[in-house]
Amino acid sequence: QVQLVESGGGVVQPGGSLRLSCAASGFTFTYYGMHWVRQAPGKGLEWVAFIRYDGSNKYYADSVKGRFTISRDNSKNTLYLQMSSLRAEDTAVYYCAKDWGLLTGLFDYWGQGTLVTVSS
Amino acid sequence: DIVMTQTPLSLSVTPGQPASISCKSSQSLLHSDGKTYLYWYLQKPGQSPQVLIYEVSNRFSGVPDRFSGSGSGTDFTLKISRVEAEDVGIYYCMQSIQLPLTFGGGTKVEIK
Repeated sequence: QVQLVESGGGVVQPGGSLRLSCAASGFTFTYYGMHWVRQAPGKGLEWVAFIRYDGSNKYYADSVKGRFTISRDNSKNTLYLQMSSLRAEDTAVYYCAKDWGLLTGLFDYWGQGTLVTVSS
Repeated sequence: DIVMTQTPLSLSVTPGQPASISCKSSQSLLHSDGKTYLYWYLQKPGQSPQVLIYEVSNRFSGVPDRFSGSGSGTDFTLKISRVEAEDVGIYYCMQSIQLPLTFGGGTKVEIK
């Protein structure tokens, strides 16, 4: 069965960096686009970034553009989110989500999420 | 960016009764390919979100038929014909016709 397992969350100081990982299994990872979606405590969902199946195209929310980098290693079936210049407002649970196709917006599988807390 | 506006913010429903959630987008979600890129997600308490409806009215695999979606252009509705206890959670609409993908603010559904 499809599994997405995020890791790498934790507490980081403002201005710091963190790299999240999402280990995928149960499907052919190289065929699908992947997203990161976040949810601040008690708030709604916010799309963060997308990467095409082959890594050739990447898109970001304006709120993270220039600070976050999405990448993937298809040989390891793993998605990454490199976060730098972190701010308090980046505090959230970060979910990786599989796109149903290339870039449909249909997230058919989600990970359990990993919490990032930006605080001094 | 396309703004997605959901109403109501919350809903308290008696089991077995219907429920309806509205979602309005600031721009038409109808693409030139003829599809309308509007989705509905449910986040149950303590869980990750799950997709219910794609492209306005198509139930995703395994979604009970008491859930239905309708609408066009900029106005959309999710209906639950007979609410069950397992339907509690926060419902989100989302558009993918244009980047950035944007979600509505969510509608919390509770059981009376």
